[in-house]
Amino acid sequence: DAMVIQNPRYQVTQFGKPVTLSCSQTLNHNVMYWYQQKSSQAPKLLFHYYDKDFNNEADTPDNFQSRRPNTSFCFLDIRSPGLGDAAMYLCATSKTGRGRKGSLHFGNGTRLTVT
Amino acid sequence: AQKVTQAQTEISVVEKEDVTLDCVYETRDTTYYLFWYKQPPSGELVFLIRRNSFDEQNEISGRYSWNFQKSTSSFNFTITASQVVDSAVYFCALSEALGSNFGNEKLTFGTGTRLTIIP
Repeated sequence: DAMVIQNPRYQVTQFGKPVTLSCSQTLNHNVMYWYQQKSSQAPKLLFHYYDKDFNNEADTPDNFQSRRPNTSFCFLDIRSPGLGDAAMYLCATSKTGRGRKGSLHFGNGTRLTVT
Repeated sequence: AQKVTQAQTEISVVEKEDVTLDCVYETRDTTYYLFWYKQPPSGELVFLIRRNSFDEQNEISGRYSWNFQKSTSSFNFTITASQVVDSAVYFCALSEALGSNFGNEKLTFGTGTRLTIIP
């Protein structure tokens, strides 16, 4: 089945040690998003790629970066994780075009623990 | 700015009871989409429904039903004859276009309602 896959499901990193989360999709969607969901909170958009164009939300910390080497893959890099970055990170995709509004597909998420 | 309010933080009901989860939204857009997602303990977001702002018909899917009322900016979700497997956090969300292209959008989520079904 076509889907959005996030690896790993669980990631543990040390305070200050860079970490990368990955997302891949077989849907051939041109838009990919990263959401952060802290415990008992709503998911919050960090940034998204529209094709190759990177779009950062105004309140996303500089500590968070993203790479999209091709249509299928997108990475979330946390340069120096702090304890406050422990969260579930959700990747989502969508395809633009008329009639496509509201068609986000989410992956299963990566739960990041910072020790 | 868009806003979604889910006033019910936690709800517990006994199995087989009906339960309604409330969602109230604010937007200046004339065209928008509303969503409900289920998040079980495993963490993934499971899509339940998407509703276009022009379509106010109520929808029923098995034990699930949704009541969209534009006049009160509400999009409530009812589970009939609840089951233990319905236990999860439920999020209501509102889409906001990120550009002129359909499909490039941002979801604003409510804070979620944790539903516990007691056997």
